[in-house]
Formats: sequence, structure tokens, C-alpha cells
Amino acid sequence: KNEVEQSPQNLTAQEGEFITINCSYSVGISALHWLQQHPGGGIVSLFMLSSGKKKHGRLIATINIQEKHSSLHITASHPRDSAVYICAVEVYSGGGADGLTFGKGTHLIIQP
Amino acid sequence: NAGVTQTPKFQVLKTGQSMTLQCAQDMNHNSMYWYRQDPGMGLRLIYYSASEGTTDKGEVPNGYNVSRLNKREFSLRLESAAPSQTSVYFCASSPMGRNYSNQPQHFGDGTRLSIL
Repeated sequence: KNEVEQSPQNLTAQEGEFITINCSYSVGISALHWLQQHPGGGIVSLFMLSSGKKKHGRLIATINIQEKHSSLHITASHPRDSAVYICAVEVYSGGGADGLTFGKGTHLIIQP
Repeated sequence: NAGVTQTPKFQVLKTGQSMTLQCAQDMNHNSMYWYRQDPGMGLRLIYYSASEGTTDKGEVPNGYNVSRLNKREFSLRLESAAPSQTSVYFCASSPMGRNYSNQPQHFGDGTRLSIL
């Protein structure tokens, strides 16, 4: 069973700060997902990576397969970025979809 | 474009009652999933369906049954609800299947279920 650890669990920062959230996992994977959950509860997929780096707007996600580690960065953070950020990993068996294994999430608050 | 639709959004049950949580997706996805989210535990997989007609147990299947009624619909049934099943339940779908590489999952808005 893959263990997914996120750090920090809670993060409070000032508007404009550069934010980094880390994720590590214990077993080789097919892909890693970063998800965002707003206070209303809905979950949105931000990124899915199997190698390298992806960028979308002010969000950047990186993954190091050898070290079993991924980071999510937010540049020029804004109060609307306040949410829970969840890391999840997936192993594709070739026979179908086995579902995600999740970290417990990082609760981010950006203060104006 | 509705995406993944879950019903109901809220439900309160008494211990021992039964109910079915409904999930439907309109994206022609092959795979569908049921997760539960509990404080301090994160999201955990209950059951999944890699394709129409197949279902498999996830990490926490006890006390639940599922039905993949057709490609669009995947329901979760609690036969005899217990207070430990108080949780927020999320349905998700993905194009992922035998002929697809890894794809993002699309989540419904969740069902908040309380068992008294």
C-alpha cells in the first residue's frame, strides 16, 4: 500500500508570498495528482504528472520520480488561493483504473 | 456541461436504515470511483469500476455495495447504516481504461451523510 505524506499540514502566509507544498510517497507510481478543495467542499484537479514539471498560471508542479517526491508551488499568492491542497498517487496496472491514494491535505490560508 | 452529478447533497439517516447514493457522469468516461472523506483521514477509496459491468473493492469497502448500472451511472448502497459511516462521499470519473494513459479524475460535489 502506498503511503502518501504531505507537508506542511497547515500553512498561513501573506498575500504575495511564494508557497511550496511537498508530497512524498513510498512506492513507485504511474502518476501523481494535485487537487484543490475549497471551503465549499468541491474538489478540482489541478495537475497530473508522471515526470518533470507542469505550469498553469501561477501554479507550478514538479515531480522527482527517483526521490519519490513532488512539490506544488504558488507564485504571487492571493487570498483566493486559500484552500486545501491534496496530493494523490495512482498506479496504473494496465488492466484498468485502481483509484487514487491520497495524502491528508495541506490547509493553506493566504491573508491579505 | 454537468460533469459528475451526485444526489442527494445532504442526508440524515438513523442507524440501521438503508439508502443509495447516486452518481452519474456525462463525459463518456470508462472508470468511476466512490471515495469517502473523514477529518484527519483524508480521502479513501471505497469501490471503483474500471469499466461498465465491473466493480472492485478499494481500501474501505466494508458496509457498502455498488452497482455500475451502465456507463453513465455508478451507485453506492448502504444496506444498514452505522454511525461510523458518517462522512462526506465523493464520486469521481476518469476516461482511464485499457486503452488510455493516466488521466485526471473529475469529482462530483459530494454527499454529506450523517448517521444518528
